[in-house]
Amino acid sequence: GQQLNQSPQSMFIQEGEDVSMNCTSSSIFNTWLWYKQEPGEGPVLLIALYKAGELTSNGRLTAQFGITRKDSFLNISASIPSDVGIYFCAGDRTNAGGTSYGKLTFGQGTILTVHP
Amino acid sequence: NAGVTQTPKFRVLKTGQSMTLLCAQDMNHEYMYWYRQDPGMGLRLIHYSVGEGTTAKGEVPDGYNVSRLKKQNFLLGLESAAPSQTSVYFCASRTPGNTEAFFGQGTRLTVV
Repeated sequence: GQQLNQSPQSMFIQEGEDVSMNCTSSSIFNTWLWYKQEPGEGPVLLIALYKAGELTSNGRLTAQFGITRKDSFLNISASIPSDVGIYFCAGDRTNAGGTSYGKLTFGQGTILTVHP
Repeated sequence: NAGVTQTPKFRVLKTGQSMTLLCAQDMNHEYMYWYRQDPGMGLRLIHYSVGEGTTAKGEVPDGYNVSRLKKQNFLLGLESAAPSQTSVYFCASRTPGNTEAFFGQGTRLTVV
């Protein structure tokens, strides 16, 4: 079965609010990824995290790689209507040289709805 | 640059019919993936390939077969379609040293 558990499953927020979601795993990953999927499209990469404890930002998005390497968090500040979509976490394992072993596992997704 | 192209975009099958979904990428990527997306289940990995001529099972491989005869193409086959295979199927590709996977636009399959 799926190894990654995302929460919450869905969120309904008002424009301007901050959003937090997280992803946990029963096993260790050495790369964490956050993707966004808009209706009718495939997912698109938002942020990649490569090191335990790492905190990375991309505009209003901030993601953290948990120190246990079994979890990751995504925050969106001051949400706007175009933030609507499904947010997925994904875990990857790489060798010492940074080359992926190949398998890319996704979580169940968090559905975000933003009311104007 | 087309990126990742999936064919067809929509299909309706009768139970027991077979079909092949085609994924083509023009980015010279080594790794390719097939996922299915169902409400509340996220993206579940069906099969993946780390290079031409190689394939591996993902989380939900039963009822599907794949082939990677050419580096740019990854085919997903359903030998005898079942209603439980009604889903949206996504193909993705990436290079070994780059975490970013590029996705196609999906194939919506309905099995009746």
